[in-house]
Amino acid sequence: QSVLTQPPSVSGAPGQRVTISCTGSSSNIGAGHDVHWYQQLPGTAPKPLIYGNNNRPSGVPDRFSGSKSGTSASLAISGLQAEDEADYYCQSYDSSLSGSVFGGGTKLTVL
Amino acid sequence: EVQLVQSGAEVKKPGESLRISCKGSGYSFTSHWISWVRQMPGKGLEWMGRIDPSDSYTNYSPSFQGHVTISADKSISTAYLQWSSLKASDTAMYYCARHVGAGWFVDWGQGTLVTVSS
Repeated sequence: QSVLTQPPSVSGAPGQRVTISCTGSSSNIGAGHDVHWYQQLPGTAPKPLIYGNNNRPSGVPDRFSGSKSGTSASLAISGLQAEDEADYYCQSYDSSLSGSVFGGGTKLTVL
Repeated sequence: EVQLVQSGAEVKKPGESLRISCKGSGYSFTSHWISWVRQMPGKGLEWMGRIDPSDSYTNYSPSFQGHVTISADKSISTAYLQWSSLKASDTAMYYCARHVGAGWFVDWGQGTLVTVSS
């Protein structure tokens, strides 16, 4: 059971927009700690996608965006492409655990 | 170019000890924490713990405290993850990752696959 809760799967057709939610609690997201997102393609290491809630590292397309409100955060992917098919993870800091925590991951399928 | 290069895949028997490594280059090794992350087969990412290479201060996830040891040798820019007695349930891919501040993981190693089987 992950500290941060994500839907196991989402799907969308090419060109569509999908969102992935990440729900935490008052000891992590709700405490004001930043949320970060990672993309993991099959057989590869995770790659940072969004940091500090809504910032993109250099090289990440602006089709990817993040937001945070209260005890939740969301990753939005617009203009879906076949290459976006991957697992996506949110991550934050938890004050009660004094360490980083991940969501359980969401598998994105591009139909 | 920043790189985190991990040691190669390992196949071990239950009860054996193991240490895997993560060598950083292209940045000041003592300026960024290094975390270790576990990914069991077909499962998600789990944060195990982290080390500040400047002073070797560590903190661990409660789920891993007492089961693994994280260390670092700043003279060779290398962090380590070690087990004194492996179990079959330790079979997983292990990643090291470089922190930005106390927050996100900006760079990741390529992963080390550890297989524990009798």
